[in-house]
Amino acid sequence: AQSVTQPDIHITVSEGASLELRCNYSYGATPYLFWYVQSPGQGLQLLLKYFSGDTLVQGIKGFEAEFKRSQSSFNLRKPSVHWSDAAEYFCAVGEKNAGKSTFGDGTTLTVKP
Amino acid sequence: DGGITQSPKYLFRKEGQNVTLSCEQNLNHDAMYWYRQDPGQGLRLIYYSQIVNDFQKGDIAEGYSVSREKKESFPLTVTSAQKNPTAFYLCASSIEDSTYEQYFGPGTRLTVT
Repeated sequence: AQSVTQPDIHITVSEGASLELRCNYSYGATPYLFWYVQSPGQGLQLLLKYFSGDTLVQGIKGFEAEFKRSQSSFNLRKPSVHWSDAAEYFCAVGEKNAGKSTFGDGTTLTVKP
Repeated sequence: DGGITQSPKYLFRKEGQNVTLSCEQNLNHDAMYWYRQDPGQGLRLIYYSQIVNDFQKGDIAEGYSVSREKKESFPLTVTSAQKNPTAFYLCASSIEDSTYEQYFGPGTRLTVT
C-alpha cells in the first residue's frame, strides 16, 4: 500500500529565507506526486505535480519540487518565502486506476517578519 | 467559472440529528471525494465515487452515507451514528482516477452540540 510521510509537523522560517518541506513516499511503481497548499479555513489548492519526465517541476507562487526516486522523496522548495506563504502544505501520491490518493499529514508553515 | 461549491460554509446541529452537506461541481469531473479534517490530523477520506451511481468507503466511513445520482453532485449525510461529527468537511473532484489532481471546495464547518 502506498503511504506518504511529511516528517515536519511545523516549520518556522523568516521572511525572505529559503524553504524546504520534506515529503517521502512509499510506492512500488512510478508515483504520481502532488503538493497542495491550504490557508486556514479554506480548501486545498494545487501547487505542482509530477508525473514523469524532468524531475524538477515548477509550480505556482514560485514553488518548485524535485523528485528523487533513489530517496523516495518529493521535497518542496522556495528560494525566498513571503509572509503570505504561511499556510499548511500537503504532499499526496496517486496511482494509475486507483480511485483514491494518499495524503501526508501536512506541514504547517509559519513565517516570521 | 468552473469549480466546486459546498454549502453552507457553517452548519450547526443538535446531537442526534442527521445533517446533509452539499457538494456540487461543474467541471465535468468523473471522480468526487469527501474528506474530514480535524486539527493536527490532516485529511481523512470518508467516501469517494469514480462514476455515477457507484461509490466506495474510505478510511472513516462509519456514521456517514453518500449518494451519487448525478455526475455534478455528491452529497454527504452525517448520521446520528457518527460519534464525533464536529469537524471541517472538504469535498473534492478530479477528472478520473488518482493520477489527476484534485480540485477542492471551500469546505463546510459542522458543529454538533
